[in-house]
Amino acid sequence: SQTIHQWPATLVQPVGSPLSLECTVEGTSNPNLYWYRQAAGRGLQLLFYSVGIGQISSEVPQNLSASRPQDRQFILSSKKLLLSDSGFYLCAWSPLGLGLETQYFGPGTRLLVL
Amino acid sequence: EDKVVQSPLSLVVHEGDTVTLNCSYEVTNFRSLLWYKQEKKAPTFLFMLTSSGIEKKSGRLSSILDKKELFSILNITATQTGDSAVYLCAVEDRNTGNQFYFGTGTSLTVIP
Repeated sequence: SQTIHQWPATLVQPVGSPLSLECTVEGTSNPNLYWYRQAAGRGLQLLFYSVGIGQISSEVPQNLSASRPQDRQFILSSKKLLLSDSGFYLCAWSPLGLGLETQYFGPGTRLLVL
Repeated sequence: EDKVVQSPLSLVVHEGDTVTLNCSYEVTNFRSLLWYKQEKKAPTFLFMLTSSGIEKKSGRLSSILDKKELFSILNITATQTGDSAVYLCAVEDRNTGNQFYFGTGTSLTVIP
């Protein structure tokens, strides 16, 4: 069966510090991978998606970046965090060729930037 | 501007009540509309709607889409405390492939 892991579960970081959130998927090959952010009082926002290794599409201009060094690994990074980066970050995957209706979410990482 | 608007923003009802949640949207080339239930953390998929006037039903939950008026409703009958959650609406734009837009959600609280 397929599983998706995210870590850490909770993170408190000072403004200006770097960030690295990791997401891995098991039990499937060639998944589409997604990073979302849910800020307080706002809806889910798609940040990045990837259809393959090294292929990253950015949906929202910001100080975050994403990388996919391996087929089932998706990393969200920042060189310098801003206060506005606080929120709940969700990683998701969907089988190749399928869309939102078959999207599976990870447990999420709650990030607080102080 | 907001492409997906949900209303109300929050709602408190008693067990047994029926609720209707609204989602209106504006995208250039509509593909699908999805409803999610979000409890504590990750959203759970509820329905995907692509055609107008066809009701999707799952137990006490049902949803319908009106592509002419650009909105969808999610109905929950005989609400239970376990229905308390944030309900998210998302709309997919065919023009932009994987691009989709989420509303801010409706927070539903069901009290005994």
